[in-house]
Amino acid sequence: AQSVSQHNHHVILSEAASLELGCNYSYGGTVNLFWYVQYPGQHLQLLLKYFSGDPLVKGIKGFEAEFIKSKFSFNLRKPSVQWSDTAEYFCASPNAGNNRKLIWGLGTSLAVNP
Amino acid sequence: DAMVIQNPRYQVTQFGKPVTLSCSQTLNHNVMYWYQQKSSQAPKLLFHYYDKDFNNEADTPDNFQSRRPNTSFCFLDIRSPGLGDAAMYLCATSRDRRDSQMGETQYFGPGTRLLVL
Repeated sequence: AQSVSQHNHHVILSEAASLELGCNYSYGGTVNLFWYVQYPGQHLQLLLKYFSGDPLVKGIKGFEAEFIKSKFSFNLRKPSVQWSDTAEYFCASPNAGNNRKLIWGLGTSLAVNP
Repeated sequence: DAMVIQNPRYQVTQFGKPVTLSCSQTLNHNVMYWYQQKSSQAPKLLFHYYDKDFNNEADTPDNFQSRRPNTSFCFLDIRSPGLGDAAMYLCATSRDRRDSQMGETQYFGPGTRLLVL
């Protein structure tokens, strides 16, 4: 079955540290990938997405992600995190049989210490 | 600003007492979704509407129903809430084309937190 996996469930960093959150997907066909972020007490919002083209995708707030087809990965990166990046991060991909249904990773809780 | 609005933000109900959560959107999107999200978990899709077409997930309990009277509004009815239904309920929208091969970005509301006593 199609799946999305996130390996880091809880990450704690200090401000200015670099961030990389792992996301792997299982589907072998054409794939679209999303990173969503949920700040404390706020709604889920899109951080960035990959549909096609340049595998290095830039999103809001200095985040980027690289689609590596050979590794089935779409890892999220930020060179220098801030306290305000404390949030829950979800990787997701549309179900191949029903692209309105997202397959979600379990999420990564990021805490950035000031 | 165009947005997805959910009311109320917090809802307390009694075990077995029907409750309705509402969602409205000013994005004029044709697809509306209802998700259930429990603490520190990913959202779980309950059902979605593509225009007026209702699409239920196979594992959504019969206790959960939905109505979409028009493009802008969608309701989630929980007929007999149990303690296990306490969760955050998220509404989302997207603009989809029926022949689209891609998943579209979903826009989420702030959620309604349901507490069942």
